[in-house]
Amino acid sequence: KNEVEQSPQNLTAQEGEFITINCSYSVGISALHWLQQHPGGGIVSLFMLSSGKKKHGRLIATINIQEKHSSLHITASHPRDSAVYICAVRRRAQFYFGTGTSLTVIP
Amino acid sequence: EPEVTQTPSHQVTQMGQEVILRCVPISNHLYFYWYRQILGQKVEFLVSFYNNEISEKSEIFDDQFSVERPDGSNFTLKIRSTKLEDSAMYFCASTLSPVSGADYRGEQFFGPGTRLTVL
Repeated sequence: KNEVEQSPQNLTAQEGEFITINCSYSVGISALHWLQQHPGGGIVSLFMLSSGKKKHGRLIATINIQEKHSSLHITASHPRDSAVYICAVRRRAQFYFGTGTSLTVIP
Repeated sequence: EPEVTQTPSHQVTQMGQEVILRCVPISNHLYFYWYRQILGQKVEFLVSFYNNEISEKSEIFDDQFSVERPDGSNFTLKIRSTKLEDSAMYFCASTLSPVSGADYRGEQFFGPGTRLTVL
């Protein structure tokens, strides 16, 4: 049973394209996190959301608590955005992670 | 820029042996976490730690696992008797404030990971 589902699993885009990665969850949560995992394995925290929308540079994250859904958008994508993007939710004492979306941006 | 460090980068051990994975969180951070990622699978939460106590732990974190902050800088994960299925990448992370706190800015700093291989 997956508490967190991400789509798509894999995504290939041309440089400059607008990208959307989706995350749905099935449990009540305190907060939702978006993480970026680089090809070498390192993980970087991008956002924490409990409501609304956040923007950081070319990245935008939104969450709809009623629909249990979040999206991560990348505007003007660049090859250096190629990575695995992971959605994670915190519920009470637990963190639940999605399986990640592998993004490849082609020059 | 401050960073979380982990040692060793790769640990190979025999089944049944004890291993200690070490992490040095960012110096002014107060909350510490361990996660693991089995190859090809998703990241899994193990434990969080604050004020020298476990704050939260997952079902994975059974009696074989323990965490400790032996001094002011290190944060360790011990696996008492390793099993083949413990083979994974183990990530340490730290935050200044709790991830659930109202003043949390969202940034959890992750270490580069320790790849544990149990033979």
